Amino acid sequence: TQLLEQSPQFLSIQEGENLTVYCNSSSVFSSLQWYRQEPGEGPVLLVTVVTGGEVKKLKRLTFQFGDARKDSSLHITAAQPGDTGLYLCAGETSGSRLTFGEGTQLTVNP
Amino acid sequence: GAVVSQHPSWVICKSGTSVKIECRSLDFQATTMFWYRQFPKQSLMLMATSNEGSKATYEQGVEKDKFLINHASLTLSTLTVTSAHPEDSSFYICSANRQAFSYEQYFGPGTRLTVT
Repeated sequence: TQLLEQSPQFLSIQEGENLTVYCNSSSVFSSLQWYRQEPGEGPVLLVTVVTGGEVKKLKRLTFQFGDARKDSSLHITAAQPGDTGLYLCAGETSGSRLTFGEGTQLTVNP
Repeated sequence: GAVVSQHPSWVICKSGTSVKIECRSLDFQATTMFWYRQFPKQSLMLMATSNEGSKATYEQGVEKDKFLINHASLTLSTLTVTSAHPEDSSFYICSANRQAFSYEQYFGPGTRLTVT
């Protein structure tokens, strides 16, 4: 079984602070995707990283894929209350199946 | 683009009855659709992979006779929970791959099932 360990599971910070969420595995993934999920809704795709060492930026969010394609990180700069949500990483395995990490529940306090 | 819908968004049923959940890709064709379940404060767990015109592939521990999946077309997959029990109460979410971008999955809004 290919597992993705996501940390931290819970994070509560003040508006304006920076944070990093980590996603680690002993397995190599074809690609890795980051999602954000609001309560009672489906996950929304934020980014897909495919190439080892790849860095993608989405406004204040920076995503990095490890050189060996086993790990990834999400860094948020100057967090805002609107960033509050469940962040999920998911690694693509055979047949386009996704293995999800446990999720990081982020709360940004005003 | 890449919108996936689910119907119903929530359903309450009595124990022993069956419930059908629909998943549609609205603006693209999906060669593959996936079904997940999610318990409160937990991550998504893949239940099965659904390919148009062929039998679904179930993950280990998922009963294929209880969770019937039919992928009738490139835009529609259905999940039927048969003889539902209270422990089947969960948030069921589907996703779909776009044909040209097979590694990107787009998720539906989910269906909240409550079995009383």
